[in-house]
Amino acid sequence: DAGITQSPRHKVTETGTPVTLRCHQTENHRYMYWYRQDPGHGLRLIHYSYGVKDTDKGEVSDGYSVSRSKTEDFLLTLESATSSQTSVYFCAISYRANTEAFFGQGTRLTVV
Amino acid sequence: AQKITQTQPGMFVQEKEAVTLDCTYDTSDPSYGLFWYKQPSSGEMIFLIYQGSYDQQNATEGRYSLNFQKARKSANLVISASQLGDSAMYFCAMTGTASKLTFGTGTRLQVTL
Repeated sequence: DAGITQSPRHKVTETGTPVTLRCHQTENHRYMYWYRQDPGHGLRLIHYSYGVKDTDKGEVSDGYSVSRSKTEDFLLTLESATSSQTSVYFCAISYRANTEAFFGQGTRLTVV
Repeated sequence: AQKITQTQPGMFVQEKEAVTLDCTYDTSDPSYGLFWYKQPSSGEMIFLIYQGSYDQQNATEGRYSLNFQKARKSANLVISASQLGDSAMYFCAMTGTASKLTFGTGTRLQVTL
């Protein structure tokens, strides 16, 4: 199994509070991705990274920011959580473009 | 921009039969990759198969094959000899020159006895 860990695995937070989700990899893969999964929408890309400090937006980036200061860590921050951000969040890594991505176990986030 | 479309929200197949899950894509990139992933009820994402846009032959991995028709922009997954353990959500995905990995909305497959 690819060495990819998401933390926390579950979180309940209140509307308006900041939240940071962490994705940690031990594979030294260049590409890292953050997705949210909601019923009927599949996996939607939030942000992705193609190297340290190199990030770009996905299709649902509003309300989210990311940082990648080290190869192994990709952080997703909700600056002020809203109920619409209640979802399951997945991190994925890949060695290079057009190769399979390996996924973390997911983080279930509930905003109340 | 790239887009993946999966038009079958749910499918049923009998055990031991073959099933085709549809996937169409749209992209302006000359080079791209197409993927299929499986998500069982436990929630993990499992990579199944990959097809490169310049690959001449259709990809195969055990009971999985990818029916790649470039002119029609389709990348259908064929599962042969279905098993009860194949019951899951199946996602088609693609990457292009920008390295974005984009997913479709998925197809829920139910294998029956």
